[in-house]
Amino acid sequence: DVKVTQSSRYLVKRTGEKVFLECVQDMDHENMFWYRQDPGLGLRLIYFSYDVKMKEKGDIPEGYSVSREKKERFSLILESASTNQTSMYLCASRPGGAEQYFGPGTRLTVT
Amino acid sequence: AQSVTQPDIHITVSEGASLELRCNYSYGATPYLFWYVQSPGQGLQLLLKYFSGDTLVQGIKGFEAEFKRSQSSFNLRKPSVHWSDAAEYFCAAPNQAGTALIFGKGTTLSVSS
Repeated sequence: DVKVTQSSRYLVKRTGEKVFLECVQDMDHENMFWYRQDPGLGLRLIYFSYDVKMKEKGDIPEGYSVSREKKERFSLILESASTNQTSMYLCASRPGGAEQYFGPGTRLTVT
Repeated sequence: AQSVTQPDIHITVSEGASLELRCNYSYGATPYLFWYVQSPGQGLQLLLKYFSGDTLVQGIKGFEAEFKRSQSSFNLRKPSVHWSDAAEYFCAAPNQAGTALIFGKGTTLSVSS
């Protein structure tokens, strides 16, 4: 079975802090994704990566950056967390096909 | 631009009754289409997928979906709902570049006894 893990299920951070969300997949997938999920808005793509050190902006990249130094790991970085970044963050990975496999999510609260 | 629409925000169904969740897409070519389910506080689990071929696809947990090109729809069905089916359901399709999925806003299913 594909396994996508996220480093934290719940995080509470203060405004202005730098926040790292980590995602690891164990299936050698080429593509990895970060989404945020908000009530009534569904899932929105923040960034994705199709190879090590390669990244592409999604629909809502402002306020975020990403890092992919190893194939199995894709990190989402909030350079200076703000309250409007309080959300559920979902990581996914994808092999050559189209379907994505999701991690359990990180619920981030910024106070 | 591609879009995925789930017209129903919230549906309540009695346990044992049948279920249909609606999904409409706008897509130029033959799409890949997916249904995912999310239990409270969890990530998304793939229920089923349509790539090509048979327009009626079977998934896990007794779900099925039918692709209707003429109606641009990919509705999810289950003949008899169980209380454990209460969750949020998302329909998805690839974006225009084929690099990621775009999701509908989701339908929350409640099951009454």
